[in-house]
Amino acid sequence: ETGVTQSPTHLIKTRGQQVTLRCSSQSGHNTVSWYQQALGQGPQFIFQYYREEENGRGNFPPRFSGLQFPNYSSELNVNALELDDSALYLCASRAPGRGETQYFGPGTRLLVL
Amino acid sequence: AQSVTQLDSHVSVSEGTPVLLRCNYSSSYSPSLFWYVQHPNKGLQLLLKYTSAATLVKGINGFEAEFKKSETSFHLTKPSAHMSDAAEYFCVVSLGGTSYGKLTFGQGTILTVHP
Repeated sequence: ETGVTQSPTHLIKTRGQQVTLRCSSQSGHNTVSWYQQALGQGPQFIFQYYREEENGRGNFPPRFSGLQFPNYSSELNVNALELDDSALYLCASRAPGRGETQYFGPGTRLLVL
Repeated sequence: AQSVTQLDSHVSVSEGTPVLLRCNYSSSYSPSLFWYVQHPNKGLQLLLKYTSAATLVKGINGFEAEFKKSETSFHLTKPSAHMSDAAEYFCVVSLGGTSYGKLTFGQGTILTVHP
């Protein structure tokens, strides 16, 4: 177990709706990243948050947005859901001064109908 | 640009035989390289990492990987497979610099272990 937790574990939404996924970082980790893993694919980097600000983003549209809170927990928000947003969403946290090693949570599986 | 290619989508071995999962990367810089494992319905677990120290890296559960710059490879090996090793394995690269913290994953290799 990494100490990174995510909620909910599973979620079903319909196209056009909005969704919020939550992540609690491992203790002492101040950087959080989010990844999308489509079925049969490797995870893809969505964005990274440090000190409550986004400081790196992958090739995802603006309807994917996030927040990081003072306790380093984080949210991923997706607006105007599309069928292709169905995936496993992974949160990862990283400790200061410990290089780029990231520790992943179990993920939230989102199904968009 | 950085990318990582896992050369086999599926590898099947018998219990007790060696495991070899192949990974090639492309990078203009000296990358950090990782192997992660994902068991069914579980998150990703770090097996090992290379960050420009020793080229032979030992990880958990008897796995190791060798960084070969001349071949741009980072293959994962284990001398003797165990049934519990059956999972999906991801080779991962990170450039650092302005891309610090952005991990790029390969497509994954599914390892099957037969009794």
